[in-house]
Amino acid sequence: EVQLVESGGGLVQPGGSLRLSCAASGFTFSDHYMDWVRQAPGKGLEWVGRTRNKANSYTTEYAASVKGRFTISRDDSKNSLYLQMNSLKTEDTAVYYCARGREGSYSSFDLWGQGTMVTVSS
Amino acid sequence: DIQMTQSPSTLSASVGDRVTITCRASQSISSWLAWYQQKPGKSPKLLIYKASSLESGVPSRFSGSGSGTEFTLTISSLQPNDLATYYCQQYNSYPLTFGGGTKVEIK
Repeated sequence: EVQLVESGGGLVQPGGSLRLSCAASGFTFSDHYMDWVRQAPGKGLEWVGRTRNKANSYTTEYAASVKGRFTISRDDSKNSLYLQMNSLKTEDTAVYYCARGREGSYSSFDLWGQGTMVTVSS
Repeated sequence: DIQMTQSPSTLSASVGDRVTITCRASQSISSWLAWYQQKPGKSPKLLIYKASSLESGVPSRFSGSGSGTEFTLTISSLQPNDLATYYCQQYNSYPLTFGGGTKVEIK
């Protein structure tokens, strides 16, 4: 089955760290750009960042709101995507989705995981 | 950053109605626009990519049009299962940005 499954969410104090994982199956993970998108409770969607594929040197892009605090990485041998979140703020509270880039350099998100909730609170 | 503005923010329509949602970009994004459907408590689902291309498996009552800065998503005959929030998203340039969403309610 083609799917993405996130894990690693939970409750963390402001200033703390958390690492999210996304396990991919049913498709050639290494071919695709992969993204993280988040959604604060009751709010809209916010793009967090992207990692390109090996053919594009695994380069990354980030939203300004997380740049310097969050790091996206991937392990193609494990079909896995990661989001390392440091210096967490209360405004980072959200459901975090991993999403697959549809194709090419200009890619919409054609496959989404079920999401994992991150709560930043003291 | 490219701002994406959707209208209306909420709409209420009857089963069988034709529904149109508009998305405006603050600068030209060519046709690099996607539409997503998010049902309550679920993950978003891709409906339309490259402004007017229907994603595989999506019912043909959904269609997209536009280019540059003005885009529309049309549901030709609203069904009860279309209760959801719809988001547009530009992927022309970074940071990738979403519209604020349009909540579709069934009368």
